Amino acid sequence: GAVVSQHPSWVICKSGTSVKIECRSLDFQATTMFWYRQFPKQSLMLMATSNEGSKATYEQGVEKDKFLINHASLTLSTLTVTSAHPEDSSFYICSARASGRANEQFFGPGTRLTVL
Amino acid sequence: QKEVEQNSGPLSVPEGAIASLNCTYSDRVSQSFFWYRQYSGKSPELIMSIYSNGDKEDGRFTAQLNKASQYVSLLIRDSQPSDSATYLCASKGGNEKLTFGTGTRLTIIP
Repeated sequence: GAVVSQHPSWVICKSGTSVKIECRSLDFQATTMFWYRQFPKQSLMLMATSNEGSKATYEQGVEKDKFLINHASLTLSTLTVTSAHPEDSSFYICSARASGRANEQFFGPGTRLTVL
Repeated sequence: QKEVEQNSGPLSVPEGAIASLNCTYSDRVSQSFFWYRQYSGKSPELIMSIYSNGDKEDGRFTAQLNKASQYVSLLIRDSQPSDSATYLCASKGGNEKLTFGTGTRLTIIP
């Protein structure tokens, strides 16, 4: 149980285009989802916290108009990188927290974004 | 100041030996602590969680927490080559967010 999927697993796009990444909890309802970014040889940095049915809360320094997050259902959150640039190339990982299991976050497999 | 600190390594341990990974945290409000294993190019995988002072054992893994010293450790007994990975320490405070350390790269030498 507690499986989280992400799609796509990798994407290559041209500079200026937008990319949407999906995060799904497959066998549980996720009241909260988190989006992280990880650059090579660095740790995970939290970008935003997404609660179902409400606006995402962004961490300091993360542009909310550039990284659009939608958490429309208890099993799906999406991250859209708008007008992507090469510096946005990174490993994007989502995690989900289940109702009643507040101490555990289950991570998706990650999406590797390369912007040319 | 980083909230969660780890020695980046690399830490090399002979196969079959005990690997000891350490982590300190600065936020005294933190109540929950986690060790994640991350293979290259993959997302983190939860290994252990610990909430109370003392030791917690799960198979070959033992997590130790000392809240007075703000110190968390992970011991891996009978280290295997498959244990070679980056180990991330994380703390969770009152805001429900996880704060990760930079990770320690562990290499088990056959």
